[in-house]
Amino acid sequence: AQKVTQAQTEISVVEKEDVTLDCVYETRDTTYYLFWYKQPPSGELVFLIRRNSFDEQNEISGRYSWNFQKSTSSFNFTITASQVVDSAVYFCALSEAGSGYSTLTFGKGTMLLVSP
Amino acid sequence: NAGVTQTPKFRILKIGQSMTLQCAQDMNHNYMYWYRQDPGMGLKLIYYSVGAGITDKGEVPNGYNVSRSTTEDFPLRLELAAPSQTSVYFCASSYFPVTDEKLFFGSGTQLSVL
Repeated sequence: AQKVTQAQTEISVVEKEDVTLDCVYETRDTTYYLFWYKQPPSGELVFLIRRNSFDEQNEISGRYSWNFQKSTSSFNFTITASQVVDSAVYFCALSEAGSGYSTLTFGKGTMLLVSP
Repeated sequence: NAGVTQTPKFRILKIGQSMTLQCAQDMNHNYMYWYRQDPGMGLKLIYYSVGAGITDKGEVPNGYNVSRSTTEDFPLRLELAAPSQTSVYFCASSYFPVTDEKLFFGSGTQLSVL
């Protein structure tokens, strides 16, 4: 069985604040992939990042950064200097070898509200 | 550059009615998926297909049926609509398994069963 937990239901910040979205996962597989997707108010989901279980290097892309820690089964997402356009629901997701990598299990999502 | 197209965008059904949600992709993708999104519950996989003629159940398949007669199309059928099927439905596709590339999502179908 696999499970993705995003404990933060909603986060509100003021523009330019830094914010971290938490993701904790459970899997028995040693080989798996983790993802973050963004769902803006328009509704369509947008891919942000993919990370495999053998690559624990943190990644930075502009104002976005991801911290993958196998020891705590976490894959947290940080937005630096948040902007109003970052307002969206963010989903963490997991795909594991046991599913043939054919499917994604999503967390419940964290709604981020960035006010001016 | 259409990508993944879902129709209709909105629909209201009465209990017991049937309908088909259409999904088409023009990217020659092998993998196609149907998810439902309930408020505060994230996305749950209903059915998926790894190629024409091949489908498999996801986490919440009860009350739904699918078929994949062509690479392009992956319709989702609701036979006897129930209020529990009120949700937003997303179709998605990818050429390789999800671990090798991102999923491309449609814009969603908002379904209400009253």
